[in-house]
Amino acid sequence: SQQGEEDPQALSIQEGENATMNCSYKTSINNLQWYRQNSGRGLVHLILIRSNEREKHSGRLRVTLDTSKKSSSLLITASRAADTASYFCATDGATGANSKLTFGKGITLSVRP
Amino acid sequence: DAGVIQSPRHEVTEMGQEVTLRCKPISGHDYLFWYRQTMMRGLELLIYFNNNVPIDDSGMPEDRFSAKMPNASFSTLKIQPSEPRDSAVYFCASSIRTGADTEAFFGQGTRLTVV
Repeated sequence: SQQGEEDPQALSIQEGENATMNCSYKTSINNLQWYRQNSGRGLVHLILIRSNEREKHSGRLRVTLDTSKKSSSLLITASRAADTASYFCATDGATGANSKLTFGKGITLSVRP
Repeated sequence: DAGVIQSPRHEVTEMGQEVTLRCKPISGHDYLFWYRQTMMRGLELLIYFNNNVPIDDSGMPEDRFSAKMPNASFSTLKIQPSEPRDSAVYFCASSIRTGADTEAFFGQGTRLTVV
């Protein structure tokens, strides 16, 4: 079963607007990652946030993590048509050296030009 | 490095046939993962290897699925016999470490269609 659950399942916005995507998870984690998948392609890593971090930035991306609520959000500012893709959060169970990276079902983002 | 390389990109086969998917991980990555992606179930981890040794195969759906990693630069996922419900996109990924501590690098995937 998925550890992370993204919300909403689909999001459609106008170019230039901000896109906010949320991820909730069930058990304690060490770290959380966000990935992007363009249609017909493999997943590409966007950003990693550790359990002791609350916020992280990378270019137009801003990720927050609230371990008390077991949730994370990914904000894409000033969206572009090229940001159209599916976005996944990925977490591991805080169970030791061989913990597994598990993915949610993803959010489909459409950015209209 | 060319990244994680998977072959073939597309495979169409008849029910009952054997299917072999191939993966070449990034050189120097000690971990290799096989995932399956479907609309219904999302991205599922099937099995992963550490230094060519299978560590966790609890995600392998049934005995028809098997995976091997004979050396650090090659892995296969075999389905025998294949069934229509095996139709999915299969991804191979590799990383330096496991868990969410490090970035996983994905191949382009193999789209399998079993008719």
